[in-house]
Amino acid sequence: KQEVTQIPAALSVPEGENLVLNCSFTDSAIYNLQWFRQDPGKGLTSLLLIQSSQREQTSGRLNASLDKSSGRSTLYIAASQPGVSATYLCAVDQGGSEKLVFGKGTKLTVNP
Amino acid sequence: DAGVTQSPTHLIKTRGQHVTLRCSPISGHKSVSWYQQVLGQGPQFIFQYYEKEERGRGNFPDRFSARQFPNYSSELNVNALLLGDSALYLCASSKDGPTTDTQYFGPGTRLTVL
Repeated sequence: KQEVTQIPAALSVPEGENLVLNCSFTDSAIYNLQWFRQDPGKGLTSLLLIQSSQREQTSGRLNASLDKSSGRSTLYIAASQPGVSATYLCAVDQGGSEKLVFGKGTKLTVNP
Repeated sequence: DAGVTQSPTHLIKTRGQHVTLRCSPISGHKSVSWYQQVLGQGPQFIFQYYEKEERGRGNFPDRFSARQFPNYSSELNVNALLLGDSALYLCASSKDGPTTDTQYFGPGTRLTVL
């Protein structure tokens, strides 16, 4: 059974800082890993999708890496601004099934 | 292009009632998935449909059912509501499915059961 863990559960940083969010998963037999952003009470916004054959993906100030064999992914946010304050969720597929398994998320607060 | 739409946005029901939630995927997307998100938790998978066929079912009781229509829109039905069904219900669409494509989520339906 696939389990996804995100540490820390919450993070508060000053504006301009570079930061790293962590995601780990127990079953390395995945097709892809996705990072999402969620604002309070809202739906999820897809940020990055990394296929299992890839090591990293970049979009703007975001860079996500994937180490499938060790069951880890990191989301790197460069020069954070208050607008990136949100909860960040990672999700992996349960190998061979059509469902995504989510972590509980990391709640990020960037202070001006 | 319009994103994934869900209706209603909010809903208040009492225990024992029935509820129907609706989802319209992005144009051209054939896969629809449903998730339940309880406050403070990550979304939990309920169902996935592709081309009107159920492709996946999560660990939810038979009170939960869903279907997909020829235009790829979908309904989630919950019978005999319990207090614990209070949650944000999210719909996601993709071209082929979660294991290959980016999932695009709707804004969700907030269900409160009293």
